[in-house]
Amino acid sequence: KAGVTQTPRYLIKTRGQQVTLSCSPISGHRSVSWYQQTPGQGLQFLFEYFSETQRNKGNFPGRFSGRQFSNSRSEMNVSTLELGDSALYLCASSSDTGRQETQYFGPGTRLLVL
Amino acid sequence: AQSVTQPDIHITVSEGASLELRCNYSYGATPYLFWYVQSPGQGLQLLLKYFSGDTLVQGIKGFEAEFKRSQSSFNLRKPSVHWSDAAEYFCAVGARGGSYIPTFGRGTSLIVHP
Repeated sequence: KAGVTQTPRYLIKTRGQQVTLSCSPISGHRSVSWYQQTPGQGLQFLFEYFSETQRNKGNFPGRFSGRQFSNSRSEMNVSTLELGDSALYLCASSSDTGRQETQYFGPGTRLLVL
Repeated sequence: AQSVTQPDIHITVSEGASLELRCNYSYGATPYLFWYVQSPGQGLQLLLKYFSGDTLVQGIKGFEAEFKRSQSSFNLRKPSVHWSDAAEYFCAVGARGGSYIPTFGRGTSLIVHP
């Protein structure tokens, strides 16, 4: 079974631009979560989508948004990029069929904002 | 709210030596507990998890962890470290019930000397 895939793997943007990152979960998984990883703040939860609905949201400004499609693929968007948005963005999927779920992570998208 | 503390930012061991990485959590009840490993430039790979039952959990790559309720700890151990174990290790805690979103510790960087 293929793992979680994320595209693109690397991205360079300039301040003020916007960016869209994509995540394809493991086949059959309906929950997709996004995390931001930086040296200063560590791993921080951004949001979780389940069946095309945002189910949980972390403490990030409204510039960070996401969506999930009917095939469970998810995208996250960051508008008006700031230097501090430079980070590794990780996507994770889970089957969410019960209480003992495990998240499986993709390799991440490394975003550099100049 | 749950939280995780990994007291050691860096750990250095010699190849073949035993390893113990510390993890303390804060949560009002028995949480879900996880250890992940992250190699440079990669996403997170699940090493092991504790949901219930036996408090000594076996994982992949020869790792094990023991849940100690009285100490609110979930330390990761390996009897003999290999050079390929050099990586960043993250402990995570997830709340029981409702939607499971893990909270990660800041990580421990493992350095292995030949």
